[in-house]
Amino acid sequence: DTVMTQSPDSLAVSLGERATMSCKSSQSLFYSSTKKNYLAWYQQKPGQPPKLLIYWASTRESGVPDRFSGSGSGTDFTLTISALQAEDVAVYYCQQYYSSPSTFGQGTKLEIK
Amino acid sequence: EVQVVESGGGLVQPGGSLGLSCAASGFTFSNYWMSWVRQAPGRGLEWVAHIKKDESEKYYVDSVKGRFTISRDNARNSLYLQMNNLRAEDTAVYYCARAPRQDSSYSWLDIWGQGTMVTVSS
Repeated sequence: DTVMTQSPDSLAVSLGERATMSCKSSQSLFYSSTKKNYLAWYQQKPGQPPKLLIYWASTRESGVPDRFSGSGSGTDFTLTISALQAEDVAVYYCQQYYSSPSTFGQGTKLEIK
Repeated sequence: EVQVVESGGGLVQPGGSLGLSCAASGFTFSNYWMSWVRQAPGRGLEWVAHIKKDESEKYYVDSVKGRFTISRDNARNSLYLQMNNLRAEDTAVYYCARAPRQDSSYSWLDIWGQGTMVTVSS
């Protein structure tokens, strides 16, 4: 199975500052025939289900604020929140859908400093 | 409104069985692969199983193979998960989720339910 490793486990950022978190996969998620990276990002607030933010590593889901952006290719990916808002406090998960079974990272918990 | 709503969770003894349901609305259910994902208390997300729109393909994580069965009824816009021989480590919130890539099983998940809690304990 493809192992997804997120870092850091937790992150504290001041309001209005940039938050950056990493996701690394044990194998490349880039599929040459489609030229796409098979990686998604989710946000989960306490007591709520996950919410899709990003797919294809960098495509923002409809309705997601543009302060959220995804980047990276192959095995190394990044989720960036350009200017942290209070409502962004959550746990963020990456997911690979390149191979079966689909697997998730362990999550990065984002807090306000 | 596009949504999925899970039901059927509860407390069950080790070795017991439980059936979960997921009612879909607001979209053409029969056009989409559907998945079950679980989350143990205080833990991360684990994909459990998914099923093709016509039930012709089903896939499971190794830890539930032979014990869980995913199925669907497109006429009723419903997804199911039959769980047998349950273990303590199956304790989790179980989410029903839609996979928006209609042409492939390799997909992200865009619509999630609120989840239903399954507790396996004596």
